[in-house]
Amino acid sequence: ETGVTQSPTHLIKTRGQQVTLRCSSQSGHNTVSWYQQALGQGPQFIFQYYREEENGRGNFPPRFSGLQFPNYSSELNVNALELDDSALYLCASSVGRTGGTEAFFGQGTRLTVV
Amino acid sequence: SQQGEEDPQALSIQEGENATMNCSYKTSINNLQWYRQNSGRGLVHLILIRSNEREKHSGRLRVTLDTSKKSSSLLITASRAADTASYFCATPGYSTLTFGKGTMLLVSP
Repeated sequence: ETGVTQSPTHLIKTRGQQVTLRCSSQSGHNTVSWYQQALGQGPQFIFQYYREEENGRGNFPPRFSGLQFPNYSSELNVNALELDDSALYLCASSVGRTGGTEAFFGQGTRLTVV
Repeated sequence: SQQGEEDPQALSIQEGENATMNCSYKTSINNLQWYRQNSGRGLVHLILIRSNEREKHSGRLRVTLDTSKKSSSLLITASRAADTASYFCATPGYSTLTFGKGTMLLVSP
């Protein structure tokens, strides 16, 4: 078990709705990254926050947005949900702003859009 | 796009046998990492190998890295049913890790 916790664990939303997913990073970690994992695929990078600022973004539309708070916890917001947004959303915390360090993942939030 | 690609996509073995998974990647890296994922849950970091290392061990895990061929392999020795999981290689970018599609390993008792 890592010290990274995500909530909720499961969520069902209707197409067009908005959703907020939450992540508490491991103690001492100042960086949070979010990934989307579709069934049978590897995780795809959404964005990263380092010390409350966005520090890199993957190929996701602007309706995917995020925040990082002073305690380094983070939120992922998705507006205007689409059926293809159904996936496992993973949060990972790490130290430092580069992608080369070990990442500690939470257990994920399973989002289903109907 | 996926930087690393694991091979095979699926592997089925008996307990006690060894399991070997391979990863190929496209661009230069300063390290490569392997992760395990149980049943669609969170990923667990297994091992990190730096570009100036050729081999690294951790318990029953042995990882090799060949930067000239842009490939890595993960060997699990004396496998157990609890090793059943998906295994991913990941390569670092500026702020991200890029994962392959993974190898699904099934270890039967």
